Amino acid sequence: AQSVTQLDSHVSVSEGTPVLLRCNYSSSYSPSLFWYVQHPNKGLQLLLKYTSAATLVKGINGFEAEFKKSETSFHLTKPSAHMSDAAEYFCVVSSGGSNYKLTFGKGTLLTVNP
Amino acid sequence: GAGVSQSPSNKVTEKGKDVELRCDPISGHTALYWYRQRLGQGLEFLIYFQGNSAPDKSGLPSDRFSAERTGESVSTLTIQRTQQEDSAVYLCASSPRTNEQFFGPGTRLTVL
Repeated sequence: AQSVTQLDSHVSVSEGTPVLLRCNYSSSYSPSLFWYVQHPNKGLQLLLKYTSAATLVKGINGFEAEFKKSETSFHLTKPSAHMSDAAEYFCVVSSGGSNYKLTFGKGTLLTVNP
Repeated sequence: GAGVSQSPSNKVTEKGKDVELRCDPISGHTALYWYRQRLGQGLEFLIYFQGNSAPDKSGLPSDRFSAERTGESVSTLTIQRTQQEDSAVYLCASSPRTNEQFFGPGTRLTVL
């Protein structure tokens, strides 16, 4: 069984300040982990993924995430928020032999204030 | 190139009617997935196709829900006798292999 917990349903930051979106996972197998972003009225877009290579993963638009097995965490960070980062972010886990089924967290809504 | 497309983008129907939702995957992607996103929730897995067979239908919420796929092409999700709790955004994704999935824009279904 696998599950994902996004610790904050809503995060609000000021433009130019750091972003931290927290995610903890549970998985019976070595997981693949993803962060997806969903802008209003747009489809889900993959930000980055971890698949058992380097534990620090760099994604698009300056985002990165660090896989910490001891803490079962995969938090998403960005050094400086931009107004265009305002969106819903989903932490996702995929594990098991078939490795196809994605389990989504409930999402974190990021608001960026001017 | 073209991404995953879904139609219609919005569908409003009356309780008890049947609806069909369509997904056109990225050309060459062998795997196709359907998800449901209820308001304020993450995505729920519904069904997975590899080619035109569905090895995992475990997420379909009831026997009112069914899906088909033609070869490695179009898929249709059918909901019979719709209920108000079926109101959600239905998302389709395709994948060239069983790891990274590319999502369509979704169909917003409203059951009155």
